[in-house]
Amino acid sequence: DARVTQTPRDKVTEMGQEVTMRCQPILGHNTVFWYRQTMMQGLELLAYFRNRAPLDDSGMPKDRFSAEMPDATLATLKIQPSEPRDSAVYFCASGLGNRDYNEQFFGPGTRLTVL
Amino acid sequence: DAKTTQPNSMESNEEEPVHLPCNHSTISGTDYIHWYRQLPSQGPEYVIHGLTSNVNNRMASLAIAEDRKSSTLILHRATLRDAAVYYCIPIPGGGADGLTFGKGTHLIIQP
Repeated sequence: DARVTQTPRDKVTEMGQEVTMRCQPILGHNTVFWYRQTMMQGLELLAYFRNRAPLDDSGMPKDRFSAEMPDATLATLKIQPSEPRDSAVYFCASGLGNRDYNEQFFGPGTRLTVL
Repeated sequence: DAKTTQPNSMESNEEEPVHLPCNHSTISGTDYIHWYRQLPSQGPEYVIHGLTSNVNNRMASLAIAEDRKSSTLILHRATLRDAAVYYCIPIPGGGADGLTFGKGTHLIIQP
């Protein structure tokens, strides 16, 4: 049963520290999305890639967030420096990037707490 | 993006049908209507989608109004496992872009 995996599942860190979250998309999926969920804002799209190229990162705070896909099996989301307002659950999702088959498969999320 | 309106919460009894409404009066002619749900402590999962015709799959049915300004997700026999937040999401042209989630409907299932 193919699934999106995310590591770590939980991360507690102190303000100012660097945080790296990792995502392994489903094999064969060419589109990877990063979302963030908070109680106040709900689920928000941060960025997404297609065939490893960034297509849209307009939802991401540019000064401290960066997203990359070093290869087709790994996507990373980095926050440097982290702030308490970054505390949220970060979800990665992958899909086929095809308008007829565009179901997105979500990972279990990384719960980030910045103290 | 088309704006959606869903009830904040709904309650139903186990093994009864559930009809979850969504208004999307500003939808454009090429927007597909997607439904996702999020079970507690999990990531969202795809439920169903459609354009004009009613659709069925193993999870649910989707009834789309003739004028496409509203749709209804139907769970034929709700189980406790169906307790989740349900999101109705119009997607331009079907598209393979990021999803814009609203607040969704929190579905509570009573045993």
